[in-house]
Amino acid sequence: DVKVTQSSRYLVKRTGEKVFLECVQDMDHENMFWYRQDPGLGLRLIYFSYDVKMKEKGDIPEGYSVSREKKERFSLILESASTNQTSMYLCAEEGASQPQHFGDGTRLSIL
Amino acid sequence: RKEVEQDPGPFNVPEGATVAFNCTYSNSASQSFFWYRQDCRKEPKLLMSVYSSGNEDGRFTAQLNRASQYISLLIRDSKLSDSATYLCVVNGAGGSYIPTFGRGTSLIVHP
Repeated sequence: DVKVTQSSRYLVKRTGEKVFLECVQDMDHENMFWYRQDPGLGLRLIYFSYDVKMKEKGDIPEGYSVSREKKERFSLILESASTNQTSMYLCAEEGASQPQHFGDGTRLSIL
Repeated sequence: RKEVEQDPGPFNVPEGATVAFNCTYSNSASQSFFWYRQDCRKEPKLLMSVYSSGNEDGRFTAQLNRASQYISLLIRDSKLSDSATYLCVVNGAGGSYIPTFGRGTSLIVHP
């Protein structure tokens, strides 16, 4: 079974803090993704990565950065958290020509 | 025009009913298609892939109509536990192979 592990289920941070969300997959797949999901807006792609040290912007990269130093780990960074980044964050991994598998999600609240 | 469109619903059906959802996509070159199920406050989980010839998994049937550019999901003999949001996913909808998610269709099965 595919396992995608996100470091926190719930997280509360303050405006202006630097926030790290971690994601680890155990399938040795190249492709990893970060989404946010908000009511009525569906899943929106923030960043994705096809390989170690490689990253590509998704639809809404502003205010975020990512890091992929190892194949199994893809980190999302909120450089200076703002209240409009309160959301559910979902990490996914994907093998070639295969469907995505998601982590449990992180509910992030920025106060 | 949105790349992947779904009727948000909600579809309210009694137990035992048959219900069908459609999902339209804009790029005729799209290559692979999936249905995901998402329960409230949980991550999306793969329900089934959609093959050109159509495919069935128990009470669930998925079909692809390339000529009209839509996929469908049919649920027979609905159970209370089928209540969820159903997301369609299209690879290649936006002209790249990055998966594009629909915003989901909400299904409520009542006694």
